[in-house]
Amino acid sequence: EVQVVESGGGLVQPGGSLRLSCAVSGFSLSDYAMTWVRQAPGKGLEWVSGISGYGAGIYYADSVKGRFTISSDTSKGTLYLQMNRLRAEDTAVYYCSKNRVLWEMNPMDVWGQGTTVTVSS
Amino acid sequence: SYVLTQPPSVSVAPGKAAVITCEGNNIGVKSVHWYQQKPGQAPILVIYYDSDRASGIPERYLGSNSGNTATLTISRVEAGDEADYYCQVWDSGSDHVVFGGGTKLTVL
Repeated sequence: EVQVVESGGGLVQPGGSLRLSCAVSGFSLSDYAMTWVRQAPGKGLEWVSGISGYGAGIYYADSVKGRFTISSDTSKGTLYLQMNRLRAEDTAVYYCSKNRVLWEMNPMDVWGQGTTVTVSS
Repeated sequence: SYVLTQPPSVSVAPGKAAVITCEGNNIGVKSVHWYQQKPGQAPILVIYYDSDRASGIPERYLGSNSGNTATLTISRVEAGDEADYYCQVWDSGSDHVVFGGGTKLTVL
């Protein structure tokens, strides 16, 4: 079964750092692009970052560029999102998703259940 | 940056058709994807590349895209269709994924 499972969320102070992980099963990270999407409480979906096959393409939303870093470890079957200099507005549920194809950033056809990040003092 | 505009809410009686629009500048030349999200759950893909149904999605779900408007039509609406629906595109001009603001579908 194709599955993605996020972890690493939690409570962090403004200015702090957190690393999210997304463990995949049923497929290889070398075969598909991957995406992080977040959803603030009561709000809509917001794209955060994406990585295409073999890391050839890495993309960030303007709101996180320079603070967040996406990476993947194919051997471990894990996608990461390193989040630095966190702000209150980064508070959200963060979803990891598998893209349907290797080289495109959409569509996202498999989603995890999300991990919650709360940035507060 | 590219903007997708959806109506905040759509209400429909059971058995009727629900039409959810997604407006964007010349969206007809882009591929549009639609996601369904029920309360407390992760989104799921329902329509991709304008009109292809994702695995397990009923034939009642139809997508189209032309001009400045993409449309998700759900025929013979059921209570289980009640959810938030989001349209999404890839904006090659900015290399960004763009989501619409979402539409809450209420089944009366």
